[in-house]
Amino acid sequence: DAGVTQSPTHLIKTRGQQVTLRCSPKSGHDTVSWYQQALGQGPQFIFQYYEEEERQRGNFPDRFSGHQFPNYSSELNVNALLLGDSALYLCASSKIEEETQYFGPGTRLLVL
Amino acid sequence: AQSVTQLDSHVSVSEGTPVLLRCNYSSSYSPSLFWYVQHPNKGLQLLLKYTSAATLVKGINGFEAEFKKSETSFHLTKPSAHMSDAAEYLCVVTSAGGYNKLIFGAGTRLAVHP
Repeated sequence: DAGVTQSPTHLIKTRGQQVTLRCSPKSGHDTVSWYQQALGQGPQFIFQYYEEEERQRGNFPDRFSGHQFPNYSSELNVNALLLGDSALYLCASSKIEEETQYFGPGTRLLVL
Repeated sequence: AQSVTQLDSHVSVSEGTPVLLRCNYSSSYSPSLFWYVQHPNKGLQLLLKYTSAATLVKGINGFEAEFKKSETSFHLTKPSAHMSDAAEYLCVVTSAGGYNKLIFGAGTRLAVHP
């Protein structure tokens, strides 16, 4: 049983560019949440997707957007990258009726 | 609003000695609480969770945590540390209003010395 997978594992971008991160949920899960973990800090909630719609959003600007596909996989898009967007981006999946979230290994983004 | 405070940013123990990682939370309702472990360059692994059943929760790898509502605490313990326990530990609470949004503490880095 495959767990949560994310791609790519690492990414280097320059300021002003755009980036797309991908996530495949654990088998049987229908809900995907994205978190940003800056160095030395705990993860911060970005948003959550269920039934291809954004259900809830954290305190992140509109430069951060997402999408969920019919197969429950998800993308996180960040436009107009800033140096401060450098972080580990974590995807977590769950069943809509359950609280426990299972995390992928993350994508480490470096913005130069 | 919900919040989580991990009282120690770093904890250092010797192999074979007990581990105590402290976590306090603030919530306007009765949340669910979790501990996750994060090894370097890896994702988060669920250690244990509290969901209003027994106040003493047993998790994987010999870890357990005790929920104390009167103290709003959810401290993580292990009787005997192993070298492989060295990692970042994150205390987590669910937010109010459903949707299972997780609120994380800043983390405690556990070092285990031989």
